[in-house]
Amino acid sequence: AQSVTQLGSHVSVSEGALVLLRCNYSSSVPPYLFWYVQYPNQGLQLLLKYTTGATLVKGINGFEAEFKKSETSFHLTKPSAHMSDAAEYFCAVSDQGGTASKLTFGTGTRLQVTL
Amino acid sequence: GAVVSQHPSWVICKSGTSVKIECRSLDFQATTMFWYRQFPKQSLMLMATSNEGSKATYEQGVEKDKFLINHASLTLSTLTVTSAHPEDSSFYICSARFPPPAGNTEAFFGQGTRLTVV
Repeated sequence: AQSVTQLGSHVSVSEGALVLLRCNYSSSVPPYLFWYVQYPNQGLQLLLKYTTGATLVKGINGFEAEFKKSETSFHLTKPSAHMSDAAEYFCAVSDQGGTASKLTFGTGTRLQVTL
Repeated sequence: GAVVSQHPSWVICKSGTSVKIECRSLDFQATTMFWYRQFPKQSLMLMATSNEGSKATYEQGVEKDKFLINHASLTLSTLTVTSAHPEDSSFYICSARFPPPAGNTEAFFGQGTRLTVV
């Protein structure tokens, strides 16, 4: 079984400040890890993903995340927050078992960006 | 990236009626689609996995007779909420994966359907 824990249901940062959204996972097999962003009343958009290879993954909109196996973490960061980054962010884990592999989502972190 | 279109984006229906939600993969064929439900300020909960040409696989606790899923083609899956009640009001989101071998590396999401049962 797999699970995801997102610490902090709500994070508030000032515009221009560092964004750090935490994600820890549990998986009995090598995981695939994802970060998605959701704007109000919309579906999910993929920010970035880790499958294999380089553990530092760069995504869209200046976000990046680092897969740390020893810490079972996949924290999302952005050096400088922008007002448009305000949204709900979901970390998700999947096994590598094929197209029917299920995504297990964390509970989400709402990012607020203030002036 | 690939596009998944969900329709309608919102619907209001009377209690006791049925509502059908469509999920289409517009530029790729999806052998597997997933249906999620999201309550306000909560995460996505997987309801069922929809497999083209076969019966859907439902998650524990999801009533298969209430949430009918049909995946009749490689580009279309439908979710029908039968005899809807106010407690079925929620945000429903579908996602689709590429066929093998790339299918397990990314899922593309529809824009969601907000269902309100009155």
